[in-house]
Amino acid sequence: AQKITQTQPGMFVQEKEAVTLDCTYDTSDPSYGLFWYKQPSSGEMIFLIYQGSYDQQNATEGRYSLNFQKARKSANLVISASQLGDSAMYFCAMREPPYSSASKIIFGSGTRLSIRP
Amino acid sequence: NAGVTQTPKFQVLKTGQSMTLQCAQDMNHNSMYWYRQDPGMGLRLIYYSASEGTTDKGEVPNGYNVSRLNKREFSLRLESAAPSQTSVYFCASSPGQGFTGELFFGEGSRLTVL
Repeated sequence: AQKITQTQPGMFVQEKEAVTLDCTYDTSDPSYGLFWYKQPSSGEMIFLIYQGSYDQQNATEGRYSLNFQKARKSANLVISASQLGDSAMYFCAMREPPYSSASKIIFGSGTRLSIRP
Repeated sequence: NAGVTQTPKFQVLKTGQSMTLQCAQDMNHNSMYWYRQDPGMGLRLIYYSASEGTTDKGEVPNGYNVSRLNKREFSLRLESAAPSQTSVYFCASSPGQGFTGELFFGEGSRLTVL
C-alpha cells in the first residue's frame, strides 16, 4: 500500500534563507507521481510542483524545486530565498497510476513552515 | 471560472443527523475525490470516483456514502453523523486516467457535529 511520511511537524526559518521540507514515500508500483501543496491560514490548497517517477530531471517552478531521490524514495521540497508569505502548511502527496479506475492520491501529515522576519 | 464548488461552506449537526455535502466541477474532469482534514492534520482520502457511476473507497470510508450521478457532481453523505466526523471536507477533481498533473480543490466545507 502507498504511504507518505512527513517527519517535520514544524519548522522556523529566517526570511531569505533556503528551506528544505522532507517527504518520503512508499509504493510498490514503478509508476507514480509526487506533488507538493501549500495551505495558507486561509485554508485553500495551492498546487506548487509535480514530479513523475520517470521524469529524468528534478522539477522546478520558480522558487520551488523538488529534490527527487528515487532510490531513497524521497521527494523533498526546496524553497529558495524564503519570504514571509511562505508561512503555511505544506503537504506532500502521491498518486499511484490508474488501472481500471481513478488514481488514488494520498497526502502526508504536513509541515507547518514559519518564516521569521 | 468556478472550478470546483462545494456546498454548504459551513454546517452544524447534532449527533445522529444526516446530511449531504455537494460538489460540482465545471472543468469536464473525469476523476473526483473527497478528503477530510482534521485540525492540524493532513488530508485523508474518503472516497474517489473515476467516472459517472463508479466509486472507490479511500483511506477512511467508514460512516460515509458517496454518489457520482453524472460527470460534474460528486456528493458525500453522512447518514448518522458522529462527533468524530467533525472536520473540514475538501472535494477535488482531476482530468483522470493518464493525466499526471495536480488535483483541483474546492474551498472546503467545515462540518461540526455536536
